[in-house]
Amino acid sequence: DTGVSQNPRHKITKRGQNVTFRCDPISEHNRLYWYRQTLGQGPEFLTYFQNEAQLEKSRLLSDRFSAERPKGSFSTLEIQRTEQGDSAMYLCASSFLTGREETQYFGPGTRLLVL
Amino acid sequence: KNEVEQSPQNLTAQEGEFITINCSYSVGISALHWLQQHPGGGIVSLFMLSSGKKKHGRLIATINIQEKHSSLHITASHPRDSAVYICAVRRGGSGSRLTFGEGTQLTVNP
Repeated sequence: DTGVSQNPRHKITKRGQNVTFRCDPISEHNRLYWYRQTLGQGPEFLTYFQNEAQLEKSRLLSDRFSAERPKGSFSTLEIQRTEQGDSAMYLCASSFLTGREETQYFGPGTRLLVL
Repeated sequence: KNEVEQSPQNLTAQEGEFITINCSYSVGISALHWLQQHPGGGIVSLFMLSSGKKKHGRLIATINIQEKHSSLHITASHPRDSAVYICAVRRGGSGSRLTFGEGTQLTVNP
């Protein structure tokens, strides 16, 4: 399978614990995005990388959230001291920008439940 | 008010019906996307539009830049079309982030 993969697919944790999610983009895609989606809502942008550089961060990304893409390939999203409000689906997408055209390919998501 | 508004929020149709989902946006954009999300979360990109109209199989997407409005049409709907359809815009001149509508839950009954 050469699509975007995310691990784990599901995560249940207790409030206050740290969690880390991984996203493996489509090979050769230079852009990688993280989104968060709560039940019944559309996704919301969190952050994106071009290669290893984090170019933009949403105000939704509090100081408890950190994302990295150390070698410009896979990315990790860490949430420290999780809160119940962090419960959501975390989606990763990747793309390859050519001129003005850009299609984002989404992974299956990681569903987080904070108890 | 959200920058991207979709209507209706929920839509139930009988198999074979012609379906229209609408998307209005309030900001300048460089592109508009229509996405499909099935239960379990997977999102698939259906169309990317910056002008005019695109067609793929039974799906047609149109955009009117002046009116800041787009529509997604499904002809001869089928139960397998049941999903959430999401409109998303890429704002002009502000990077690549997408701003999403809340989605339209479509259910097509046999």
